[in-house]
Amino acid sequence: DGGITQSPKYLFRKEGQNVTLSCEQNLNHDAMYWYRQDPGQGLRLIYYSQIVNDFQKGDIAEGYSVSREKKESFPLTVTSAQKNPTAFYLCASSIGGGRAGNEQFFGPGTRLTVL
Amino acid sequence: SQQGEEDPQALSIQEGENATMNCSYKTSINNLQWYRQNSGRGLVHLILIRSNEREKHSGRLRVTLDTSKKSSSLLITASRAADTASYFCATSSVGGANNLFFGTGTRLTVIP
Repeated sequence: DGGITQSPKYLFRKEGQNVTLSCEQNLNHDAMYWYRQDPGQGLRLIYYSQIVNDFQKGDIAEGYSVSREKKESFPLTVTSAQKNPTAFYLCASSIGGGRAGNEQFFGPGTRLTVL
Repeated sequence: SQQGEEDPQALSIQEGENATMNCSYKTSINNLQWYRQNSGRGLVHLILIRSNEREKHSGRLRVTLDTSKKSSSLLITASRAADTASYFCATSSVGGANNLFFGTGTRLTVIP
């Protein structure tokens, strides 16, 4: 099955702890993205990566970090510097390779709750 | 913000009726896309319309694009209870990277 997976589905964290959300795709896509969604809101871009070993900040990167060491993996770390981390986190991928705004394929999401 | 805005924020209709939702955006675009999100799930791509297209169909979906007004509409005909979801428009801006800017969504409820 080709697709994009995120784990875990639910994650609880104590204040002051860092936590890493996993995102894996076997679609052979070059580009990957992390979004944050708050209740009743749209998606806001945290980080994106157009190619392996390269990534760029999105609109709300403060308090987050990413890595892109492998094409199929784009983990997101929510650090203790993120003031309000409780949210639904969505990972996506696309063919990339240009400025055409390609269709994005989404994972099922991780709901992070800070206790 | 480059985000689009959907209108209405929420829409409730009877099964069998048509549902229309609108999207307005601010910048020049390469294309505009519509996505669907069931509660607590990821988004699913529905349809893409390019800036040089005015209308596109896919099954029960019809999308229009008016670049002079910077707006798009999504029409779902003969709605079903299973169409209940949130619908988002997303734009790809001219000169931008391969990123999409998502609107705030329309929450559609189809009553059986």
